[in-house]
Amino acid sequence: GAGVSQSPSNKVTEKGKDVELRCDPISGHTALYWYRQSLGQGLEFLIYFQGNSAPDKSGLPSDRFSAERTGGSVSTLTIQRTQQEDSAVYLCASTPRGGAYTGELFFGEGSRLTVL
Amino acid sequence: AQTVTQSQPEMSVQEAETVTLSCTYDTSENNYYLFWYKQPPSRQMILVIRQEAYKQQNATENRFSVNFQKAAKSFSLKISDSQLGDTAMYFCAFIGTASKLTFGTGTRLQVTL
Repeated sequence: GAGVSQSPSNKVTEKGKDVELRCDPISGHTALYWYRQSLGQGLEFLIYFQGNSAPDKSGLPSDRFSAERTGGSVSTLTIQRTQQEDSAVYLCASTPRGGAYTGELFFGEGSRLTVL
Repeated sequence: AQTVTQSQPEMSVQEAETVTLSCTYDTSENNYYLFWYKQPPSRQMILVIRQEAYKQQNATENRFSVNFQKAAKSFSLKISDSQLGDTAMYFCAFIGTASKLTFGTGTRLQVTL
């Protein structure tokens, strides 16, 4: 497909389990962002990848959260030992280099995570 | 750190009327960009309008325009001739030198008949 693809679209898990969320960016986009959207909280920045540079992890809320981007393309956000407060929609976005400054941030439809 | 504040959690407007959504931000940077994004129920974020801080002229895109007050750090969105399809969450966003977009908490806009 031509857009940003995220999977799964919905994930229900039990507290304490690990989850992996996947993001397939648009081909050729060098930058990739992860955001978390909780009810009434807007979009919370989590992590930013740009090409081969070290990622900006300043938004990750705890060491239970990690993300990697393999081969400069697909990214996986991993949440270990999930807690109920991790329940949210996790959005991924990609953009060409410098594209964020033009607003050319292409978002996926998100992965809704529910932790019981 | 930059912050973006949207003080209106919900707004309602009748079809064909005009509505203004508020946004304020805080930054010590002089060069930056501001955006309004629309998020319909499908969750797909769509760029509505963009403003470059060094430009004094307010951006306009068809029925959408902004009132950018740099000194006041204010960036409001005006939607004219509102349509039912404008019903969505609207997010104000900021980007400076750190290359990451900072979003506000959003305003839920309902357009009614």
